[in-house]
Amino acid sequence: ELKVEQNPLFLSMQEGKNYTIYCNYSTTSDRLYWYRQDPGKSLESLFVLLSNGAVKQEGRLMASLDTKARLSTLHITAAVHDLSATYFCAGSTSGTYKYIFGTGTRLKVLA
Amino acid sequence: KAGVTQTPRYLIKTRGQQVTLSCSPISGHRSVSWYQQTPGQGLQFLFEYFSETQRNKGNFPGRFSGRQFSNSRSEMNVSTLELGDSALYLCASSLGGSDYEQYFGPGTRLTVT
Repeated sequence: ELKVEQNPLFLSMQEGKNYTIYCNYSTTSDRLYWYRQDPGKSLESLFVLLSNGAVKQEGRLMASLDTKARLSTLHITAAVHDLSATYFCAGSTSGTYKYIFGTGTRLKVLA
Repeated sequence: KAGVTQTPRYLIKTRGQQVTLSCSPISGHRSVSWYQQTPGQGLQFLFEYFSETQRNKGNFPGRFSGRQFSNSRSEMNVSTLELGDSALYLCASSLGGSDYEQYFGPGTRLTVT
């Protein structure tokens, strides 16, 4: 069964710095999702990555997918405090009708 | 377009009781999935329904059950509540399941005392 691992679990970074969150998955995942969750809130969709080499960007966040390496990354550029949240990646296998989530990365951006 | 709605938003129950949570999907979405989120186990899949049929179920005891109605609204029920059932229960809807993007509701925070 698909397994999704995320690292790091916790990330404390200074404003203005760049960093990357990694998401590895164990078997074929037909698509890869990134979500953001603020404390006590639900999941907000950030990116949907469908194919090898897919790259999507929104503001200071950029996500990419390498299906051969079974790796997706979420890159944060010039972090700002508003990006503080927990970020999850999730994979899915066609026909299983479920997402498998990573453990989440709790990001704290320090002013 | 209205998003996914879940009721109630907060619940406090005692051990041994049962609880029913409700989820109304985005209009036009026929798939509803349920997830449990806890600090220790993270986000875990409970079950998925499409057109009133359960298509997949996660590794949860039989105390956890669900159903979907003809209007795509879904309910999940937990019987004989245990302390470990305290969690945020998230409902997600999509056009057709995991092959489509899932949109999450605000969740129901269940506390079992």
